[in-house]
Amino acid sequence: DAKTTQPPSMDCAEGRAANLPCNHSTISGNEYVYWYRQIHSQGPQYIIHGLKNNETNEMASLIITEDRKSSTLILPHATLRDTAVYYCIVRAVGSGGSNYKLTFGKGTLLTVNP
Amino acid sequence: DTAVSQTPKYLVTQMGNDKSIKCEQNLGHDTMYWYKQDSKKFLKIMFSYNNKELIINETVPNRFSPKSPDKAHLNLHINSLELGDSAVYFCASSPRDGNQPQHFGDGTRLSIL
Repeated sequence: DAKTTQPPSMDCAEGRAANLPCNHSTISGNEYVYWYRQIHSQGPQYIIHGLKNNETNEMASLIITEDRKSSTLILPHATLRDTAVYYCIVRAVGSGGSNYKLTFGKGTLLTVNP
Repeated sequence: DTAVSQTPKYLVTQMGNDKSIKCEQNLGHDTMYWYKQDSKKFLKIMFSYNNKELIINETVPNRFSPKSPDKAHLNLHINSLELGDSAVYFCASSPRDGNQPQHFGDGTRLSIL
């Protein structure tokens, strides 16, 4: 899987948008970008994923640059409960053996402040 | 209803013992996984089963033996526990289609005395 680079930590004020960047400059054409988060003492939680188009769901928006070398996860109105480690992961498509696994990096610790 | 459930939530035992962790998913998924999160918080894949067939085994010591009695269950048995086995173990599941997200349980915190 391609490597990703994320800032180790970020702060955000409650109610403001949180923009979490991720670099994946070696991403291949068949690799998706996934975002998960891990709130303290819980299992990782899926947020969103995309291939090349921007995506939005009830939790967040994912903006992928045209060259696909970087992306940004946007939490539009951060709350205290959004404090967590956010992981950006690239993963190949298809059902081949190694395509199933998620390779987690260190992620970004987002702290939402009151 | 809990989608991916693991038992026990906490497990404290002595070095050299044998223990099992159970995982069940009620999502109808074909693929299940075990991940290990060590004290430095790195999450790493250990095993993956697709409809009871092993598809990923990431250089895990053979003291660790996953068992999948059916596609809704993937249990992890660990023999001769060592201090370095202390970690949080997460079970996950996903549909067969590799594009779909994985759903994780809340983890089993294993402490070796």
